[in-house]
Amino acid sequence: QKEVEQNSGPLSVPEGAIASLNCTYSDRGSQSFFWYRQYSGKSPELIMFIYSNGDKEDGRFTAQLNKASQYVSLLIRDSQPSDSATYLCAVDSWGATNKLIFGTGTLLAVQP
Amino acid sequence: NAGVTQTPKFRILKIGQSMTLQCAQDMNHNYMYWYRQDPGMGLKLIYYSVGAGITDKGEVPNGYNVSRSTTEDFPLRLELAAPSQTSVYFCASSPTGIGQETQYFGPGTRLLVL
Repeated sequence: QKEVEQNSGPLSVPEGAIASLNCTYSDRGSQSFFWYRQYSGKSPELIMFIYSNGDKEDGRFTAQLNKASQYVSLLIRDSQPSDSATYLCAVDSWGATNKLIFGTGTLLAVQP
Repeated sequence: NAGVTQTPKFRILKIGQSMTLQCAQDMNHNYMYWYRQDPGMGLKLIYYSVGAGITDKGEVPNGYNVSRSTTEDFPLRLELAAPSQTSVYFCASSPTGIGQETQYFGPGTRLLVL
């Protein structure tokens, strides 16, 4: 059973701090990694995707990938109350194209 | 563009009833997906389609059926509804396969089976 694991949280950080969200995956053959943000009662929206080992930065967001450790993370700098949401990690299922495996999500609460 | 649209937004079904959840996209995407999301859980893939006339099972297909007669539409059929099918259902589409493009999600359908 291919799995994607996240700490469910809630992760509480003060406004302006760095929020660090983590995700581990079981399928060593996975090639594509995605972070989605989901506000309560809304649909997921893509925040970041990463394919290569290392860091990828987009504004206040940085995705980090370590395939050897099967670990992907999302850093949110200068956290804002509007960042409060559930963050879903998703990983492609190697050998089964067109399928994403989602983690259960981490609830982030940014305190003003 | 309206993007991905889903109807209805909310529905209550009695055990044993059937219904069809509608999904449509106007972005000419080849790939379409149906997910369910139970409270506090991630998304589970029910069915997906790589083009008109082509569908395949995901992780949790039991109790559901799909069809894809056009590029735009991808309805999900629930036969003999059960309480275990109470969930939020999301439809998504993407231009190409997972590795190349993100998926665009619809607003979701909340289904309650009593």
